[in-house]
Amino acid sequence: NAGVTQTPKFQVLKTGQSMTLQCAQDMNHNSMYWYRQDPGMGLRLIYYSASEGTTDKGEVPNGYNVSRLNKREFSLRLESAAPSQTSVYFCASGDRGTSSYEQYFGPGTRLTVT
Amino acid sequence: AQSVTQLDSQVPVFEEAPVELRCNYSSSVSVYLFWYVQYPNQGLQLLLKYLSGSTLVKGINGFEAEFNKSQTSFHLRKPSVHISDTAEYFCAVSRLLTSGSRLTFGEGTQLTVNP
Repeated sequence: NAGVTQTPKFQVLKTGQSMTLQCAQDMNHNSMYWYRQDPGMGLRLIYYSASEGTTDKGEVPNGYNVSRLNKREFSLRLESAAPSQTSVYFCASGDRGTSSYEQYFGPGTRLTVT
Repeated sequence: AQSVTQLDSQVPVFEEAPVELRCNYSSSVSVYLFWYVQYPNQGLQLLLKYLSGSTLVKGINGFEAEFNKSQTSFHLRKPSVHISDTAEYFCAVSRLLTSGSRLTFGEGTQLTVNP
C-alpha cells in the first residue's frame, strides 16, 4: 500500500518549457488535490478534484491545468513555466467518509524554473 | 470564508521543555481542525484532528491540542519535546464539499528543539 505517490521528485525547467507532474493514490479516495508550498505561506490549493470527472480551481490556479485521468490519477500541467512557479508541489487525496475528512499527502516534487 | 493564523513563525525550545504552538481560525460555519507535521524534505503527516466531542484531542508522538470555540483557537502542546520533534507544523481548517473536503492551511510554525 504505497499511499500517494508523485513523480518526478525533482525537476529543473527553463522559462517557457512545459511539464506534467504525476500523482497516483491507491486508497480508493474520491477526492484529490494539488498544492504548492512556498516559504512563509503554508500550502496553497491550486486545483482539486472532488470526484472522478470533476475538477475545480483553488486559490492559485493561474498558469496551471489539471487532468483527473481516472479515480487513481490526477496530473498537474505547467504549459509555459515561469520563475514564479518555482516551488514544492504536493498532491493529496481524501474522502469525507471513513477517513474523517483527513487528507493524505505525497512526498512532493521540487520544481525550479530558471 | 475560512482563514487560519499561526501566531509564531519560529519557536526554539530546549530538549525536554514544554512547548505550545498557537493557532487561531475564523470560519462562519462549524469546522473540523487539523494539525500536520512536516519533517525536512518530506510530505505532510497528520498529527491529530478535531471533528467533534471532547475538546482535548490527543495525537501521535505525545502531542495534544485543545479546541476552544469561544476563542476560536486550536493550540498544539507537548509537555516534553525531543530533538526528533524538530519540524514544521501546520494548522488547518476544513470546509466540506459535496464530496471530500477542502483544507485551508496556516503559514506554518518551525519548531526547533535544541540540546
